Amino acid sequence: GAGVSQTPSNKVTEKGKYVELRCDPISGHTALYWYRQSLGQGPEFLIYFQGTGAADDSGLPNDRFFAVRPEGSVSTLKIQRTERGDSAVYLCASSPQVGGELFFGEGSRLTVL
Amino acid sequence: KNQVEQSPQSLIILEGKNCTLQCNYTVSPFSNLRWYKQDTGRGPVSLTIMTFSENTKSNGRYTATLDADTKQSSLHITASQLSDSASYICVVRDNNAGNMLTFGGGTRLMVKP
Repeated sequence: GAGVSQTPSNKVTEKGKYVELRCDPISGHTALYWYRQSLGQGPEFLIYFQGTGAADDSGLPNDRFFAVRPEGSVSTLKIQRTERGDSAVYLCASSPQVGGELFFGEGSRLTVL
Repeated sequence: KNQVEQSPQSLIILEGKNCTLQCNYTVSPFSNLRWYKQDTGRGPVSLTIMTFSENTKSNGRYTATLDADTKQSSLHITASQLSDSASYICVVRDNNAGNMLTFGGGTRLMVKP
């Protein structure tokens, strides 16, 4: 596609539920990043992929968070047993290569009630 | 630890006025610095990129400066417009193997008529 696409744009769920957030990067971009942004804050790094492999997952806050990119294109961020503190906008970005400009999606706003 | 600090946190100016946003960083070794504009509810979009050897770079009414010695950058907006209302985020990339990005917390600018 023309840009990075994220779905859903909004997700409201109950505490304890499982959530999946999808990111469709710009075609051909090998690097893909996930960030979390709370209101009034800058994006906080979660994980990035180079191809299919997670090159750095040091930003994932705990083992409830997991991300995959099985074919080196679309990525899914998975959150188990959601907590109210997980409420945030989850941003995905892709880049033609590691170290290149990041192109961000519009984000998925997650609200955990 | 790499850090990026931005000031002010928020700013209100009248349409047509100029303003300057500040970014101080401790990222080392330095690779580049980008200013992003993030409209409410949207993903960040790159405005400028500054490398070590660049002091000033303009993009329309936006002018970024970089002082690599003092590790400071500024973003100057000239003749502000209502559409400039957004968050402006300073992002610094290091030159280590991971090419990691460090995000500032952003400056929230509101331009009033």
